[in-house]
Order: sequence, then C-alpha cells, then structure tokens
Amino acid sequence: DTEVTQTPKHLVMGMTNKKSLKCEQHMGHRAMYWYKQKAKKPPELMFVYSYEKLSINESVPSRFSPECPNSSLLNLHLHALQPEDSALYLCASSQGGSYNEQFFGPGTRLTVL
Amino acid sequence: KNQVEQSPQSLIILEGKNCTLQCNYTVSPFSNLRWYKQDTGRGPVSLTIMTFSENTKSNGRYTATLDADTKQSSLHITASQLSDSASYICVVTSDDPDKLIFGTGTRLQVFP
Repeated sequence: DTEVTQTPKHLVMGMTNKKSLKCEQHMGHRAMYWYKQKAKKPPELMFVYSYEKLSINESVPSRFSPECPNSSLLNLHLHALQPEDSALYLCASSQGGSYNEQFFGPGTRLTVL
Repeated sequence: KNQVEQSPQSLIILEGKNCTLQCNYTVSPFSNLRWYKQDTGRGPVSLTIMTFSENTKSNGRYTATLDADTKQSSLHITASQLSDSASYICVVTSDDPDKLIFGTGTRLQVFP
C-alpha cells in the first residue's frame, strides 16, 4: 500500500468551530508532514513529526494543533480559524533521508466562513 | 537564500505536441531535485528524482535533465495528452531532508 489517505475531502467551518483533519499511511514511514497550500502557490510546510515526535513547527499559529497518536496516524486540530486559513491542507509521509520521496495525500479543501 | 524558480508560469499546448518546462535553483548544499505533478485539488506525485551525478532521468513520456554546474533542470513532455494538464513543481532537497524547497510551479494546459 503506497497511499496516504486524508479525511475529510472537503470541510466548511465557521470561525468558532472546532474540527479535525485526519491523515493515515500504512507504509511504515517514520516521518509525517502537514502542508498548507493556497491557490496557485506551492505547498508550505507547517509541521513535521519524526518517530511520532514533533520535530519541526514552522511558526504556525496555535489555532492549528497537530497530533500524532501512532506511527500511522496524523491529525490536525483546528480551532478559532480565520477566513485566510482557507486552503488545501496536504499530508505527506516519508521514510526519511534526502533520497526518499515524500508521498502526498489528496488533501482536505478547507473553507473558513 | 535558497530559491527555486520555474518558467514559464503557465503554458498552453495542443494535444500531441511536446513541451519543455524549466527550473533554476540557487540551493546550497544540493542533495537532489525532483519533479512533481499536481492535478488540481490533489496532492503532488513524484515523476523523477535526480542527484548531483545524474544528468537525465526518464519516466515514460517525461524526461528530466539536470545541469548541476549551471543549476538548471528541465522537464520535457513528449506527445502530450489531455491528462498531462496539471501543475508541475520542481522541488530541491538541501541538507535538511524534511524541508523541501518548492518551486513556483508551471501550470500546463493541454487542449484537444
């Protein structure tokens, strides 16, 4: 299985809501990533988990809270978001090391009203 | 500052025609360079990867080249198909394998 799955595919939420994005991979990868991608822009790295521990936080606002319950799952908890947070949120996983590919999921299209 | 620039920003071609996309990078140290294809609303998918010592790599109708001296790469698409319509992103890995350096992308549209 060389697939990264993400749910939900689409999410619409108000600024006072709390929601979560989920990501799953069964490739035994040691690293998992969250990216944010605005229209016509490249993905921007948000968080990296390595061996289930947060290793990189790219100065992301605290209204985004990542969680890695186990080596196959990655969540992104959302609270009190702003309309400018509307974007495609991509999850990726990798075996690690510079030559190993980051496999991307299909993304969650988030709209904040 | 590490940067990856791509040209053109967008490109329209007719089905069956060939095209070449360009990538220039100023990344140091350099580890490898990948070309990704991203369909609208989907995650990127890797097409090719090249290290410093490789100057060409093919994947079906996609052929990537790398000139490490001039820090340039190209992606050539042969006999384009409608399904080639997508964004193509050049991605360079430096010393931190977890922090990919993404190019600005080329939006390719193939019309019948």
